[in-house]
Amino acid sequence: QVTLRESGPALVKPTQTLTLTCTFSGFSLSTSGMCVSWIRQPPGKALEWLALIDWDDDKYYSTSLKTRLTISKDTSKNQVVLTMTNMDPVDTATYYCARILSWQGFDYWGQGTLVTVSS
Amino acid sequence: QSVLTQPPSASGTPGQRVTISCSGSSSNIGSNTVNWYQQLPGTAPKLLIYSNNQRPSGVPDRFSGSKSGTSASLAISGLQSEDEADYYCAAWDDSLNGRWVFGGGTKLTVL
Repeated sequence: QVTLRESGPALVKPTQTLTLTCTFSGFSLSTSGMCVSWIRQPPGKALEWLALIDWDDDKYYSTSLKTRLTISKDTSKNQVVLTMTNMDPVDTATYYCARILSWQGFDYWGQGTLVTVSS
Repeated sequence: QSVLTQPPSASGTPGQRVTISCSGSSSNIGSNTVNWYQQLPGTAPKLLIYSNNQRPSGVPDRFSGSKSGTSASLAISGLQSEDEADYYCAAWDDSLNGRWVFGGGTKLTVL
């Protein structure tokens, strides 16, 4: 059974750095073709892809956010971590992590974690 | 401004067939497969269609996908009240070192 769960602070202040952890089970990120991605959704708005890390430790980032994002993995702990620097109120959103197998779509998603940026 | 273009809304009555379009470019839909997601209110998105027209296990065959050139479509036949949700298309984009891109979403209302 594949599960993913996001964890991190619910509230961050402007200019702070956000660190989110995706803890997963039911698959291994060392398996060829396996990837984990982060996607966010501001309240009432569309999905926005943020970053992806694959089994070979290749990393891909949103063009508009790449200077602020870092994605990493700890295969032994079954975790993927996303850091986003210089947080702003416009970054208020539900942040999801999701699995991709062989680039065939995000087939499993976490429940999401709402992050509010406010002083 | 989303890279993939979807109509903001669509509607239909129970039993009807509705389609939702998704328009892209040569660097995304034109050269890669399209996925569709269904998001019910207050829940995480769910993969509905992958590789243009494939349904994951458990997705009813009322849902179908197609692609032609730089556009794709999601069709829902035999519309049911529980189909009322937001629908998103997505594709890999080969430009700018590679990235996933989403459509802006289509809110489907069952009248």
